[in-house]
Amino acid sequence: TQLLEQSPQFLSIQEGENLTVYCNSSSVFSSLQWYRQEPGEGPVLLVTVVTGGEVKKLKRLTFQFGDARKDSSLHITAAQPGDTGLYLCAGSTGTASKLTFGTGTRLQVTL
Amino acid sequence: DARVTQTPRHKVTEMGQEVTMRCQPILGHNTVFWYRQTMMQGLELLAYFRNRAPLDDSGMPKDRFSAEMPDATLATLKIQPSEPRDSAVYFCASGFSPLVYGYTFGSGTRLTVV
Repeated sequence: TQLLEQSPQFLSIQEGENLTVYCNSSSVFSSLQWYRQEPGEGPVLLVTVVTGGEVKKLKRLTFQFGDARKDSSLHITAAQPGDTGLYLCAGSTGTASKLTFGTGTRLQVTL
Repeated sequence: DARVTQTPRHKVTEMGQEVTMRCQPILGHNTVFWYRQTMMQGLELLAYFRNRAPLDDSGMPKDRFSAEMPDATLATLKIQPSEPRDSAVYFCASGFSPLVYGYTFGSGTRLTVV
């Protein structure tokens, strides 16, 4: 069973602060995705990374895939209340296209 | 925007009753997933289909759960008989394999079994 551990589990910060969320596994993934989920809705895809060491930026969000493709991080600069939600990493191996989700990080950004 | 449609959004049922959840995937997507989300376990994969054929249902309790795709526009997840421990939010997601572009999730069915 491939496990994806996310840390921290919970994060409460003030608007303007920076934060980093980590996603770690002992398994190698062919691709890794990050999703954000808001209450009452399904997860929404933020980014897909496929190459070891890859860095992608989405406005104030920076995503990195580890060199060995076993881990990933999400960094948010100058967090805003609209960033509040549950952040989930999800990995896929080979050509199976089956996604294994991480344990999730619940972020709350207050004014 | 194309979206995955799930019905019903909420369902409250008594233990022992049959529950059917429906999903309309995005037209053209060839892969459909069923996930269950709880606070304790997070998002768990129950089953998935590619080109309507079941590929993996190892995450599903086979004695009570069944998943089907009678046609390309409909996926169903059935629980019979339902139990209180089945209370969760059930999500359907669809996408196009290979995975690079990610999957689109529906808004979920919140199931409560009393």
